[in-house]
Amino acid sequence: EVHLVESGGGLVQPGGSLRLSCAASGFTFSDQNIDWVRQAPGKGLEWVGRSRNKAKSYTTEYAASVKGRFTFSRDDSNNSLYLQMNSLKTDDTAVYYCVTVSGTYYAFDSWGQGTLVTVSS
Amino acid sequence: DIQMTQSPSSLSASVGDRVTITCRASQGISNYLAWFQQKPGKAPKSLIYAASSLQSGVPSRFSGSGSGTDFTLTISSLQPEDFATYYCQQYSSFPLTFGGGTKVEI
Repeated sequence: EVHLVESGGGLVQPGGSLRLSCAASGFTFSDQNIDWVRQAPGKGLEWVGRSRNKAKSYTTEYAASVKGRFTFSRDDSNNSLYLQMNSLKTDDTAVYYCVTVSGTYYAFDSWGQGTLVTVSS
Repeated sequence: DIQMTQSPSSLSASVGDRVTITCRASQGISNYLAWFQQKPGKAPKSLIYAASSLQSGVPSRFSGSGSGTDFTLTISSLQPEDFATYYCQQYSSFPLTFGGGTKVEI
């Protein structure tokens, strides 16, 4: 069974940095494309970006709102994906989810439970 | 960017009702359309992919249809556990985009 667990959320001041983790189990991590999606309090879902698998040379895609500030990295040996967030803004306050992307039909499959990031002074 | 417009933004329904939610893309996305269900305080759950294919374990009362720019999610007989917010999403091109959500209330 696919299982994703996000961690690393918390309170950070504007301009600060935070690193989120997504720990995965139940599948071959290096074969899997994984996306990040966020949800501001009381708002809808917003795609953050994609971390592609080893076969796709670990390439990435980012939403315009985070490009240049957020960076994905992954450690296939530890089945973990990381989201490094720099120059944080109050608008980045949200629950952050990692989501697996089907390699067959390219749609989202399984979601983690999310981790809350609060950017506030 | 492709804009996804859902309607209605909310609806009231009763157990046993047939419910239809629509989603319109600002340009053609073939069938690269997914639907998600989210309950308060919980992570979204994937319901449908490729516009009409049910994810594993999703009850058959859920169905999806459409292609191009116009799509629908139908719940044939609303059950108590179906009261939630539903989102559509296009995955035809980056950036992936979601509709604004439809809250299904009692």
